[in-house]
Amino acid sequence: DAGVIQSPRHEVTEMGQEVTLRCKPISGHDYLFWYRQTMMRGLELLIYFNNNVPIDDSGMPEDRFSAKMPNASFSTLKIQPSEPRDSAVYFCASSLRLVDDTQYFGPGTRLTVL
Amino acid sequence: GQNIDQPTEMTATEGAIVQINCTYQTSGFNGLFWYQQHAGEAPTFLSYNVLDGLEEKGRFSSFLSRSKGYSYLLLKELQMKDSASYLCAVLYSGGGADGLTFGKGTHLIIQP
Repeated sequence: DAGVIQSPRHEVTEMGQEVTLRCKPISGHDYLFWYRQTMMRGLELLIYFNNNVPIDDSGMPEDRFSAKMPNASFSTLKIQPSEPRDSAVYFCASSLRLVDDTQYFGPGTRLTVL
Repeated sequence: GQNIDQPTEMTATEGAIVQINCTYQTSGFNGLFWYQQHAGEAPTFLSYNVLDGLEEKGRFSSFLSRSKGYSYLLLKELQMKDSASYLCAVLYSGGGADGLTFGKGTHLIIQP
């Protein structure tokens, strides 16, 4: 398997623009996670899905952020409108189970909002 | 809420042993992970503990005490490639859903 795939790897945009980050989990994994990492706040769980259904989105910072998983092989994280404080590395991860199982992380998307 | 504390930075010498501590306060504890993250890369899984005691995996070992809210990661025979950040993460149940909270990581510097 190719592992978790994320695109784009780098994104530079201007404040107010819509940003869409994409993720393809490892085939057969039932759980998909979206994380944000910054120097100040570390790695934060934003939302996770089980069998394409959002389970916990308490980490989503505000209504400007939304995530979808229309099928088992694809998920998006959208920011609209984007702000400079959204600049971070966004990771997607997947796993077979939530408990007693490792999460496999994608390479991340480095987002810069000017 | 969940609270995880780990030292910000540690320095150790190649060939030596280092212990990275993690303390946590959480309700509904369901397990603790350790991840390694090299600069500019994604985290990679090192260990998972849910029962008290020591789990050994090669040069790396992880210990958990649930009653004390304490874990440590022990790295033996340190190599230069072990220079990385080490993240402690707690899995918990609450509010009808499981959650996962990461510490801010310990930046480990290995010196020759």
